[in-house]
Amino acid sequence: ETGVTQTPRHLVMGMTNKKSLKCEQHLGHNAMYWYKQSAKKPLELMFVYNFKEQTENNSVPSRFSPECPNSSHLFLHLHTLQPEDSALYLCASSQDRDSDSPLHFGNGTRLTVT
Amino acid sequence: DAKTTQPPSMDCAEGRAANLPCNHSTISGNEYVYWYRQIHSQGPQYIIHGLKNNETNEMASLIITEDRKSSTLILPHATLRDTAVYYCIPQRNEKLTFGTGTRLTIIP
Repeated sequence: ETGVTQTPRHLVMGMTNKKSLKCEQHLGHNAMYWYKQSAKKPLELMFVYNFKEQTENNSVPSRFSPECPNSSHLFLHLHTLQPEDSALYLCASSQDRDSDSPLHFGNGTRLTVT
Repeated sequence: DAKTTQPPSMDCAEGRAANLPCNHSTISGNEYVYWYRQIHSQGPQYIIHGLKNNETNEMASLIITEDRKSSTLILPHATLRDTAVYYCIPQRNEKLTFGTGTRLTIIP
């Protein structure tokens, strides 16, 4: 148990579907992150939220839309995805964005776009 | 961002010490060195971090050279559950970039 819970663990969706990934952390952290891990590629940072404010968007296509309603919850809304978006999507949290504190990761959502 | 170089793969016999090297010659003076590992089908797990001094916790030891250009993660008594990909990351929190890491396989 990492303290960061992601749901669902697996998701299969068509290119015209709309779905959302959910992340919840029980660690009292103030920063939350979305990462993408494609097969045989390094983790790619997608979005960063610090105290509920989005502080980083790493040139992510608009078909990925993050939402952070509070410091404990993070969502990734998906629409009109492409097959190349199939990947493991990882959520992480840390004490805050500016401190040198370690990241705590969830176990990810394995997304398959058909 | 500081770049890292890690061997792509290593084997270690069960019960022996696993020593994983990392070169980070462009590390900044205020950047910590973090180590994470990722076991198959799970998210990365934090192991240990350090700035200048050697560090030890319940999982591992971290040896950082005096010039801070390289470090070694030591798993003192490797078990089969330590089979994973290990990432060395010079990190300021806003520049967390994972490379391809070292795939460590523990051999029974």
